[in-house]
Amino acid sequence: DAKTTQPPSMDCAEGRAANLPCNHSTISGNEYVYWYRQIHSQGPQYIIHGLKNNETNEMASLIITEDRKSSTLILPHATLRDTAVYYCIVRGNTDKLIFGTGTRLQVFP
Amino acid sequence: NAGVTQTPKFRVLKTGQSMTLLCAQDMNHEYMYWYRQDPGMGLRLIHYSVGEGTTAKGEVPDGYNVSRLKKQNFLLGLESAAPSQTSVYFCASAFGGGFYEQYFGPGTRLTVT
Repeated sequence: DAKTTQPPSMDCAEGRAANLPCNHSTISGNEYVYWYRQIHSQGPQYIIHGLKNNETNEMASLIITEDRKSSTLILPHATLRDTAVYYCIVRGNTDKLIFGTGTRLQVFP
Repeated sequence: NAGVTQTPKFRVLKTGQSMTLLCAQDMNHEYMYWYRQDPGMGLRLIHYSVGEGTTAKGEVPDGYNVSRLKKQNFLLGLESAAPSQTSVYFCASAFGGGFYEQYFGPGTRLTVT
């Protein structure tokens, strides 16, 4: 599975959009981009995933560049409860998820 | 549905003691996983199972054993605990492998002194 690079930390004001970037320049054609988050040492929670088209669900939007070498997770209206570590994971058709160290997002009032 | 549950939530062991962590899921998932998370790090896969009666090694399997005698349960055993096994242990389950999302339990915080 391709490796990912994320900034270690980011801040966001409550009510504003949080845009979390992820680089995955070695991604191959059959690999998906997944996002999970971990709130204060709880178990990770699935957010969204995509292959090449932009995706949106009730939690977030995922924007993948045309060359698929990077992506952005967007939380449209961040709340204090969105403070968490966000993991970007590139995954092929394997049984495993490989977690990096993620981005620690701090949402402030 | 309770989802994925883990027992116990906390445990303190002395070096050399043994223990078993229990993971249970009520979603009829085929796949189950055990991860550990050390401070400031991401999760690392210890062992996993693709179905009842099967197990496979992950990234960091040494010092651990697992069993999947029932589809809904996945046990993680430490035969002789070491301080290096102090960590938070997370269990997860999924409907299948490949592209299926994983559902995680709340974790077990283990300290080995």
